[in-house]
Amino acid sequence: QSALTQPASVSGSPGQSITISCTGTSSDVGGYNYVSWYKQHPGKAPKLMIYDVSKRPSGVSNRFSGSKSGNTASLTISGLQAEDEADYYCCSYVGSPTFVVFGGGTKLTVL
Amino acid sequence: QLQLQESGPGLVKPSETLSLTCTVSGGPITSYNYYWGWIRQSPGKGLEWLGSVSYSGLTYRNPSLTSRVTVSRDTSKNQFSLNLSFMTAADTAVYYCARVLTGSQFDYWGQGTLVTVSS
Repeated sequence: QSALTQPASVSGSPGQSITISCTGTSSDVGGYNYVSWYKQHPGKAPKLMIYDVSKRPSGVSNRFSGSKSGNTASLTISGLQAEDEADYYCCSYVGSPTFVVFGGGTKLTVL
Repeated sequence: QLQLQESGPGLVKPSETLSLTCTVSGGPITSYNYYWGWIRQSPGKGLEWLGSVSYSGLTYRNPSLTSRVTVSRDTSKNQFSLNLSFMTAADTAVYYCARVLTGSQFDYWGQGTLVTVSS
């Protein structure tokens, strides 16, 4: 099972919106509505930001949204803030027995 | 509040087997529909799922590591464990344990433990 494909880096200015893509195949992203997104600051554990493609856990800002089209999932962050600067990872369920696969990660820089 | 805590050696010699334990507090690992997983992150790299164990004891392993990975649980201690055999320098990483809900929802994570492979 290959890792999902994410851009290595994206950037945006405060207040702008950015979108991070996550491309897989019909065996993972395209086959299940079980895509999640994680935010990770250096030296810290990842934090769940989006699950089941577009659902937000309690406490996560509504500036974060998720979507999916075909084999590509997307994370959109609106109204960029300095605190959004971090690494972001997507993850997709791929069914038993493999379970899940992660994307390679995207570094978000807030200019 | 659910908490997960990894424990194990910080230094492992090449060819040895790594044994890590994740102690869960705040809820039983046998709770229906919850899974418990291991994820690692090599220095400067991305996340890699290693394996998981279900609330009922079923186990799942990363196909690329199947021959080296064992995931198990001890319900009496509310712990689950990872064994990774034949360690090499490429296995140097921060190892995380996490709770998994439906699909790919890793909602609670341990703080992570750095494991270095060196003689």
